[in-house]
Amino acid sequence: GAGVSQSPSNKVTEKGKDVELRCDPISGHTALYWYRQSLGQGLEFLIYFQGNSAPDKSGLPSDRFSAERTGGSVSTLTIQRTQQEDSAVYLCASSLQRMSTEAFFGQGTRLTVV
Amino acid sequence: KQEVTQIPAALSVPEGENLVLNCSFTDSAIYNLQWFRQDPGKGLTSLLLIQSSQREQTSGRLNASLDKSSGRSTLYIAASQPGDSATYLCAPLGSGGSNYKLTFGKGTLLTVNP
Repeated sequence: GAGVSQSPSNKVTEKGKDVELRCDPISGHTALYWYRQSLGQGLEFLIYFQGNSAPDKSGLPSDRFSAERTGGSVSTLTIQRTQQEDSAVYLCASSLQRMSTEAFFGQGTRLTVV
Repeated sequence: KQEVTQIPAALSVPEGENLVLNCSFTDSAIYNLQWFRQDPGKGLTSLLLIQSSQREQTSGRLNASLDKSSGRSTLYIAASQPGDSATYLCAPLGSGGSNYKLTFGKGTLLTVNP
C-alpha cells in the first residue's frame, strides 16, 4: 500500500477481554515498530521487528502483551485480559531497513477499555 | 538509556514569524535523527531525516541541524503559517547495544496565530 495501515482505527472493549491490533507496513519495509501513546504522555516503545524476528521484547509492559509478524509483512499486537490502563493510542511504524532510512507511521489504533 | 528533551514544551507565535525548536539527547551513538509533526488525533508525519554524518537537512520552509557530539538538534521553521500548528517531535535512532530504537521527546506544541 501507499502508507502504513492500521486497523481498527478505534476499538472499545470491556475490561478483561482480549484485543488484536493489526499493522500493515509499507511493502518491502523490513523494520517494524510498535509504540504506545497514552493521554498527555510521550511515545512509549513496545517492540521492534527486523523481518519476522523481534530482537528485544523488553518494551512490552506486561506478559499480557504479545506481538508477532508473519511473512515479513503484517504484524499483530495482542493484549490479553485488557485493563483500563491499557487505554491509549497504539502506533505502528515501518522503515525500509532499520539503519539510515526514514520511519513512516500509521494513523494509530485508539483503544478504550471500559 | 537514551533520553530526549524538547524545549520549549509549548510555543505560541504570530503568523509570519521564524522560529526554532530545540531537541537534546543524552546518547550520541545514533544512526540518524528524525523530526515529525503530529496533528491532534492523528499519527506522526515525517518531516526531515538527518543522518549522523550530516549537519543539516532542508525541506521547503523547514531546516533541521544536528550536532551529534553535543547531543543537540534544532528545527527551524521560516515564515510560520497557521497550518504549521501541531506538536513537533524529535527522535534519534540508536545505533548500538540495547539502544536500537527511535526514542521520542515529549514534543513542542506549536500554535501559529493568524
